[in-house]
Amino acid sequence: GAVVSQHPSRVICKSGTSVKIECRSLDFQATTMFWYRQFPKKSLMLMATSNEGSKATYEQGVEKDKFLINHASLTLSTLTVTSAHPEDSSFYICSAESRDGTDTQYFGPGTRLTVL
Amino acid sequence: DAKTTQPPSMDCAEGRAANLPCNHSTISGNEYVYWYRQIHSQGPQYIIHGLKNNETNEMASLIITEDRKSSTLILPHATLRDTAVYYCIVRVPFGNEKLTFGTGTRLTIIP
Repeated sequence: GAVVSQHPSRVICKSGTSVKIECRSLDFQATTMFWYRQFPKKSLMLMATSNEGSKATYEQGVEKDKFLINHASLTLSTLTVTSAHPEDSSFYICSAESRDGTDTQYFGPGTRLTVL
Repeated sequence: DAKTTQPPSMDCAEGRAANLPCNHSTISGNEYVYWYRQIHSQGPQYIIHGLKNNETNEMASLIITEDRKSSTLILPHATLRDTAVYYCIVRVPFGNEKLTFGTGTRLTIIP
């Protein structure tokens, strides 16, 4: 149980294009999902908290107009990197908070974004 | 501010118990201790969590000191697949409080 998937696992795009990453909780409902970014040899940094049916809460320094988050259902959140640039190349990871009585976060496998 | 302190790296022989320490001397009464690990190029994997009692599951055991200022994650019989970065995180559950990842401990299992 408590499986989170991400799609795609890897994407390469040209500078200036937009990329959408999907995060799904496969066997549980998640009212809250989180989006993280991880640069090489660095730790995970939280970008935003996504709540089903409401606007996402962004961490300081994260541009909300560049990283669009939609949490339209209890099992799906999407992150769209708009007008991507090479500096946006990173490993993007989502997590979903389980409401099974433990409030544990379970993570997806991550999406490797490379912007040329 | 880092809430936890972990050694940057550790080695452990395959088949032996791996004991990963974590200091959280400023932990508050309602904060739990969570352990995650991240194998290279994968998302973090939940291992175990606890409040004050020792906990055990199919992956590991968590030993929390009586004053709750430190804890130890124990992998009883380490395998090569346990090579990963291990993160110790303190957090209050049920309040949408985020997980704050520090630098963790890079555990290398030696054949």
